[in-house]
Amino acid sequence: GAGVSQSPRYKVAKRGQDVALRCDPISGHVSLFWYQQALGQGPEFLTYFQNEAQLDKSGLPSDRFFAERPEGSVSTLKIQRTQQEDSAVYLCASSLARGPSSRPQHFGDGTRLSIL
Amino acid sequence: DAKTTQPPSMDCAEGRAANLPCNHSTISGNEYVYWYRQIHSQGPQYIIHGLKNNETNEMASLIITEDRKSSTLILPHATLRDTAVYYCIVRGEYGNKLVFGAGTILRVKS
Repeated sequence: GAGVSQSPRYKVAKRGQDVALRCDPISGHVSLFWYQQALGQGPEFLTYFQNEAQLDKSGLPSDRFFAERPEGSVSTLKIQRTQQEDSAVYLCASSLARGPSSRPQHFGDGTRLSIL
Repeated sequence: DAKTTQPPSMDCAEGRAANLPCNHSTISGNEYVYWYRQIHSQGPQYIIHGLKNNETNEMASLIITEDRKSSTLILPHATLRDTAVYYCIVRGEYGNKLVFGAGTILRVKS
């Protein structure tokens, strides 16, 4: 079956440009997560949605990072005025969990963002 | 969520069982143990999770000690395609985010 789909797969932008990264979760998955993975490190949590509600954005590194999920399905991670330190792989994950649950998260293959 | 400790790397011969250990001595009663792996240029792949009983699925087995302070992921017949970084993560059912450590680099060799 279809897994989590992320686009674009690769994105190159110049410092100062705005970028938008898209995530299509598994159909019917209520919960959606964004993670950032720097080269050679494990993924780090950015933000969490349950349906359209952003319940946790404690991992967003600055106010240049903004995420939305307006209809409770597709989500977009936007980075404004990109900096070189924003270069990383951005991973999206989704889960069937509606609240307290042990249900696992399932990840997409990420968007590799390179800021020149 | 409790912290986990894993060896940085391990080697395994193709066709043999790969046994990946994880210590989670501060785990609390309602926290689950999850295993994910990440193959180069791909997103993390869910493998298995458990609370206190041993678990098995088509990919692997998870053995959790009786005191729940450690666990072992077993890949029964490792293949070259199992070469990846394996992450052991502890998370409560009320938690939402996964906290990834450095993981174990498993190299399966022919």
